[in-house]
Amino acid sequence: QVTLRESGPALVKVSQTLTLTCSFSGFSLTTSGFFVAWIRQPPGKALEWLARIDWDDEKFYSMSLKTRLSISKDPSRDQVVLTLTNVDPLDTATYYCARTMTVAGNTMFDYWGPGTLVAVSS
Amino acid sequence: QSVVTQSPSASGAPGQRVTISCSGSSSNIGRNIVNWYQQFPGTAPKLLIYNSRQRPSGVPDRFSGSKSGTSASLAISGLQSEDEADYYCATWDDSLNGYVFGTGTKVIVL
Repeated sequence: QVTLRESGPALVKVSQTLTLTCSFSGFSLTTSGFFVAWIRQPPGKALEWLARIDWDDEKFYSMSLKTRLSISKDPSRDQVVLTLTNVDPLDTATYYCARTMTVAGNTMFDYWGPGTLVAVSS
Repeated sequence: QSVVTQSPSASGAPGQRVTISCSGSSSNIGRNIVNWYQQFPGTAPKLLIYNSRQRPSGVPDRFSGSKSGTSASLAISGLQSEDEADYYCATWDDSLNGYVFGTGTKVIVL
């Protein structure tokens, strides 16, 4: 059974660094074809993809946030960590991690965590 | 703002057919498959359609997807009250070298 769960602070202050952890089970990030992605959703707004880390440690970032994002993995602990530097109130959102699976070259977010709401205050 | 756009809302009476469109460009939908996600308020999205037209196990065949050129569509036939949710298309964008989600469509069952 595949599960993912996000954890991190519920409140961060402007200009601080946000660190979120995705803890997962039911699959291994050392297995070819599996990735983990982070996606966020501001209140009442659309989903926004942030970053992805692959089984072979290849990383992809949202072009608009690339200078502020970092993604890493700890396969021994089945965790993926996302950091977002210099946060702003516009970064207030629910942050989701999702397993990304590849089938015949096509990728999809097939399992999602419940999400964690992060508010940025001044 | 997203490079992939959807109409903000769609509505229909129970039993009717509703179609949601997803419009992109040659760097995203034109070259890559589209996935669709269903999201109820306060919950995480759920994969509804992958590879533009395939349904994961457990998704009713009332939901169907298609893609043509730089656009994709999700159709819900035999609309039911439990289909009232937000729907997002998503695809890879070769120019951005990242995923893009559509702007989302709220389906309202009258």
